Amino acid sequence: AQSVAQPEDQVNVAEGNPLTVKCTYSVSGNPYLFWYVQYPNRGLQFLLKYITGDNLVKGSYGFEAEFNKSQTSFHLKKPSALVSDSALYFCAVRDGRTYKYIFGTGTRLKVLA
Amino acid sequence: NAGVTQTPKFRVLKTGQSMTLLCAQDMNHEYMYWYRQDPGMGLRLIHYSVGEGTTAKGEVPDGYNVSRLKKQNFLLGLESAAPSQTSVYFCASSYDEQSGELFFGEGSRLTVL
Repeated sequence: AQSVAQPEDQVNVAEGNPLTVKCTYSVSGNPYLFWYVQYPNRGLQFLLKYITGDNLVKGSYGFEAEFNKSQTSFHLKKPSALVSDSALYFCAVRDGRTYKYIFGTGTRLKVLA
Repeated sequence: NAGVTQTPKFRVLKTGQSMTLLCAQDMNHEYMYWYRQDPGMGLRLIHYSVGEGTTAKGEVPDGYNVSRLKKQNFLLGLESAAPSQTSVYFCASSYDEQSGELFFGEGSRLTVL
């Protein structure tokens, strides 16, 4: 069965520092991987996705993610964090053979001024 | 375009009452999903649909029913609400069968007393 793990409930980082939010996955077949962001009392917004091709994927708001097949990871990164990046981040996987999207439990990112 | 619209946004029910959440999308998407979000548990898939007239079970389907009579609408029903169904419900849709990201509604907060 496909699954996603986000090992950190919360990540704190100082403004201007690089940030990483971790995600590992388990899926049979080719993985389709996604990152979403959720601001308070809002729906989730798409940030980026990996389908195939380059292992480094660039997305919205300066975020990028690195796909690592051997480690089954898809970590979200940003070179320089902003206070406005503070939000709840979700990693998701879609098995290439089904239409289900499975989400991790989320990681709360707090960027400190 | 309105995107994905959920109604109602808030509802309080008594145990045993029934209700229906409506999700409407104006993007001509084939795939639609209902998730529930609970603290510490991320998003869990309740039911989903891969096209008009089709529905399928997700991770946590018990106590819910769905219908997709029209392509643009996906209804989530609670026949006999229970306190365990207190949650925030999100509808999402997708345009592509393999690689499309999800577009989310703003959520419906349901409280069952």
